[in-house]
Amino acid sequence: QITLEESGRTLVKPTQTLTLTCTLSGFSLNTGGVGVGWIRQAPGKALEFLALVYWNDDKRYNPSLKSRLTITKDTSKNQVVLTMATMGPVDTGTYFCAHTTCSVSSCHRVFDSWGLGTLVTVSS
Amino acid sequence: EVVLTQSPDTLSLSPGERATLSCRASPSILSAYLAWYQQRPGQAPRLLIFGGSNRATGIPDRFSGSGSGADFTLIISRVESEDFAVYYCQHYGSSPPTWTFGQGTRVEIK
Repeated sequence: QITLEESGRTLVKPTQTLTLTCTLSGFSLNTGGVGVGWIRQAPGKALEFLALVYWNDDKRYNPSLKSRLTITKDTSKNQVVLTMATMGPVDTGTYFCAHTTCSVSSCHRVFDSWGLGTLVTVSS
Repeated sequence: EVVLTQSPDTLSLSPGERATLSCRASPSILSAYLAWYQQRPGQAPRLLIFGGSNRATGIPDRFSGSGSGADFTLIISRVESEDFAVYYCQHYGSSPPTWTFGQGTRVEIK
């Protein structure tokens, strides 16, 4: 069974850097085709893709946020880490990590398993 | 970059009624990269449909997806109490490679 769990500071001050960890279970980022992404949701708003890392360390970023984001993986710990620089009040929201996978026969680029999310508040 | 526009914003229905949700893409997209998710209050999103029309594992057959090009539809044939939630369409685009979500449609109890 695939599970993902987000962790990290839930309260950050404006201008600080946010660091979130996604701990994976039931699958490995050493497996070909596997990726883990981060998606956020401001209160009462829509989902917004942030970043994703694939098993081969290929990375994807939301073009409008790319300058502020870094995603890394630690396969020995089964973790994916997201950092987001220069946080502001508009970055308040729930941050989810999610699993995606591609095979030779099927690659639809969807997020088929999600963590419960962690609420991040940006406030002084 | 692809923009997904969902309609209506809110759909008020009674249990047992049919729900028709729309997702319009601009510019047109491949259905292979169009998905639908359900998000109940306080929960994470759940994948319902991938590739435009394929139900994800464990999704009841009252959910169906269709469409091509610019117009895509999610239908819930007979809405049940557990289906009252927000629904998002999502597209993966390769140039630049990124994921885009619609603004969501809320299905609420009438």
